[in-house]
Amino acid sequence: KQEVTQIPAALSVPEGENLVLNCSFTDSAIYNLQWFRQDPGKGLTSLLLIQSSQREQTSGRLNASLDKSSGRSTLYIAASQPGDSATYLCAVSPTGTASKLTFGTGTRLQVTL
Amino acid sequence: DVKVTQSSRYLVKRTGEKVFLECVQDMDHENMFWYRQDPGLGLRLIYFSYDVKMKEKGDIPEGYSVSREKKERFSLILESASTNQTSMYLCASSNYRGSNQPQHFGDGTRLSIL
Repeated sequence: KQEVTQIPAALSVPEGENLVLNCSFTDSAIYNLQWFRQDPGKGLTSLLLIQSSQREQTSGRLNASLDKSSGRSTLYIAASQPGDSATYLCAVSPTGTASKLTFGTGTRLQVTL
Repeated sequence: DVKVTQSSRYLVKRTGEKVFLECVQDMDHENMFWYRQDPGLGLRLIYFSYDVKMKEKGDIPEGYSVSREKKERFSLILESASTNQTSMYLCASSNYRGSNQPQHFGDGTRLSIL
């Protein structure tokens, strides 16, 4: 059974710092990996999706990498801002279907002034 | 723009009641999903559907059922609500099964069972 782990569970950084969030998964037979953002009391917003054949994806100040063989992904946030404060979740889908996701429990990020 | 709408943001029901949670998407997506989210446990898949009138069990289907009579609407039903079903419920949709397209989520329904 696939298990997804995110460490740390919480992180606080001063504004302007670059930071890395980590995600690991136990079964490397994945179709894709997705990073989401969740604001308090809200649903999830998709940030980046990395297909199993890709190594990384970029969107603005965000860069996500994937090392499928080692079961790891990182989300890099450059020049962090207070508006980046949220919970970040990663999720993987198994080979054979792009639809069924297994989620990690998330990293709660606070960016302070 | 993509839109997934859940009918209620907050809902309070009593033990034993039959509860309906509704979700509508306007993107003509084939796939729809129901998750529940609990502190420390993350998001867990309850049921999903790849097509109209089609449903498949997720990881925690016990005590729930679903209905998909139209492509845009996916309903989650708590047959006889219990206090351990107090949770945040999230609906999502995505494009067809083989597509590398992200899931789009609604804002969630916070359900309390008293």
